Amino acid sequence: GESVGLHLPTLSVQEGDNSIINCAYSNSASDYFIWYKQESGKGPQFIIDIRSNMDKRQGQRVTVLLNKTVKHLSLQIAATQPGDSAVYFCADLGAGYQKVTFGTGTKLQVIP
Amino acid sequence: DAMVIQNPRYQVTQFGKPVTLSCSQTLNHNVMYWYQQKSSQAPKLLFHYYDKDFNNEADTPDNFQSRRPNTSFCFLDIRSPGLGDAAMYLCATSRDGPHQPQHFGDGTRLSIL
Repeated sequence: GESVGLHLPTLSVQEGDNSIINCAYSNSASDYFIWYKQESGKGPQFIIDIRSNMDKRQGQRVTVLLNKTVKHLSLQIAATQPGDSAVYFCADLGAGYQKVTFGTGTKLQVIP
Repeated sequence: DAMVIQNPRYQVTQFGKPVTLSCSQTLNHNVMYWYQQKSSQAPKLLFHYYDKDFNNEADTPDNFQSRRPNTSFCFLDIRSPGLGDAAMYLCATSRDGPHQPQHFGDGTRLSIL
């Protein structure tokens, strides 16, 4: 079946450096992509989304890049802070699908 | 202020004893979702309501049911919990459907004795 997966289960980054979290998706018909952040003991929190008619979208300290050619999505976090430590999930919605499919998650550890 | 509120945060029940988890929202969103999340795994959609229309996922066990008596509230009923049902249960909302960001509650962690 279609799936969304992440390349790295854990990513360690020095405080102040930039973080890049990658995600591969398999459904070429996916047309909506979302990044969520989940801190320990909390529910996922929406970070940023992007639709398939775009290849880049920026938020506050975060940028999402979409490469439809290779079905790859990435989340860039600028000047990573200790509060960014969490598990990050990418998710996608395929055209005609009724639900969002979550990837397996990447744990981001920020080293002070 | 919390916009999607789940109660209780922790729930312990006995094997086979029915349990109900609650979710309320102040966003007035049309869609409410229930997810199951096991340790170190992604959330897995169980079902969702679009207004009063119930949409069950094909692989959701019959043991799991849901009720949405009004826009603000949604309940997850587990009729006969098994040990494999121990998990975090997440409620989420979106305004009109999956093409919009979902707002999650902080979940109810269910333990089965």
